[in-house]
Amino acid sequence: NAGVTQTPKFQVLKTGQSMTLQCAQDMNHNSMYWYRQDPGMGLRLIYYSASEGTTDKGEVPNGYNVSRLNKREFSLRLESAAPSQTSVYFCASNQNEGSGYTFGSGTRLTVV
Amino acid sequence: QKEVEQNSGPLSVPEGAIASLNCTYSDRGSQSFFWYRQYSGKSPELIMFIYSNGDKEDGRFTAQLNKASQYVSLLIRDSQPSDSATYLCAVTGTASKLTFGTGTRLQVTL
Repeated sequence: NAGVTQTPKFQVLKTGQSMTLQCAQDMNHNSMYWYRQDPGMGLRLIYYSASEGTTDKGEVPNGYNVSRLNKREFSLRLESAAPSQTSVYFCASNQNEGSGYTFGSGTRLTVV
Repeated sequence: QKEVEQNSGPLSVPEGAIASLNCTYSDRGSQSFFWYRQYSGKSPELIMFIYSNGDKEDGRFTAQLNKASQYVSLLIRDSQPSDSATYLCAVTGTASKLTFGTGTRLQVTL
């Protein structure tokens, strides 16, 4: 009953370093999403994948790239981390349009 | 104007009272409406969804939707200290992705 699994849970990066946040779901969901959550800003969509093989930009895509590796896995990459990317990152998935999301436990990222 | 607006709170209610959380949205094409609960340091958890005008009840929770007024609310009856959390309203627009409000922090006092 894992649901949506995110790794790592915590990460500290230096400015300019790169890293990939991993996300996997075992619910056979079609769509997957990456959000960031900042105080006072709420959850903002970075990228999403409506189905295996497709990805699209969300509200705040700059500085990020994604890969939908297969139906289960959707990764988020920071090529050159900046302090403005300090945030909590959530991966989510859902079965189809209009259905609620299941969230992963989040990754708390600090860029110094 | 934000797409989904919520009062940030905190909303403070005594134990056993009814907590009323409100949300307005701007996209008239919105089809699906969700309420998530988020405890501090945790991920959002889906607690209610509603698609049609009117009320939908699930245990102590009631979601209310008024599409004409672009308004959705969540009532929590017999509030408990364990209900203390931030409640996020989320709306599916014409693009079929969820847009979240910034959340209302609820405090249930003893």
